[in-house]
Amino acid sequence: DGGITQSPKYLFRKEGQNVTLSCEQNLNHDAMYWYRQDPGQGLRLIYYSQIVNDFQKGDIAEGYSVSREKKESFPLTVTSAQKNPTAFYLCASSDPWGAINGYTFGSGTRLTVV
Amino acid sequence: DQQVKQNSPSLSVQEGRISILNCDYTNSMFDYFLWYKKYPAEGPTFLISISSIKDKNEDGRFTVFLNKSAKHLSLHIVPSQPGDSAVYFCAASNNDMRFGAGTRLTVKP
Repeated sequence: DGGITQSPKYLFRKEGQNVTLSCEQNLNHDAMYWYRQDPGQGLRLIYYSQIVNDFQKGDIAEGYSVSREKKESFPLTVTSAQKNPTAFYLCASSDPWGAINGYTFGSGTRLTVV
Repeated sequence: DQQVKQNSPSLSVQEGRISILNCDYTNSMFDYFLWYKKYPAEGPTFLISISSIKDKNEDGRFTVFLNKSAKHLSLHIVPSQPGDSAVYFCAASNNDMRFGAGTRLTVKP
């Protein structure tokens, strides 16, 4: 079955640590996205990539970094510069008609700073 | 800057009745509007969309209405079923996709 896999499901980070969230898709989609969800707020775009080896900042990119070395993979690193990293992180992918047919989302990673 | 707003955090309806979820937007440049459904511990799944040049799109029990002059769209679910209980996100797209905060729908048997 095609889909998006995010791992881990739950992640705990100590203050000052960098952590990397994994996102893998086997849908052959060119575009991939990272969103952050906080209580009472909509999904906010962190980074997106329309093609391999290229990515752009979204609305809240500060304190995050990404790479897109393979079509299937779009890992997100939450750096120590991110002041409030505790949130639910969602990865998504889409074909060229994603704006019409919607994005495909993973099940998310809940990151907690301890 | 919330360009897509869902002002009702929750909605409760009786099974068999109509559920109406509302969404407002501020950017008149959006091309498409979408609704997603999200169950706990899962990612959102696409439900239905509508082009900005249309005012209605129907898919089974789900109908989306778009009022461009009011910058308002709504999702109607008729009849509502207990399995429809979930969080519904409104989204709008142009070059990227903007999401509302979601409305939690509870359908009571």
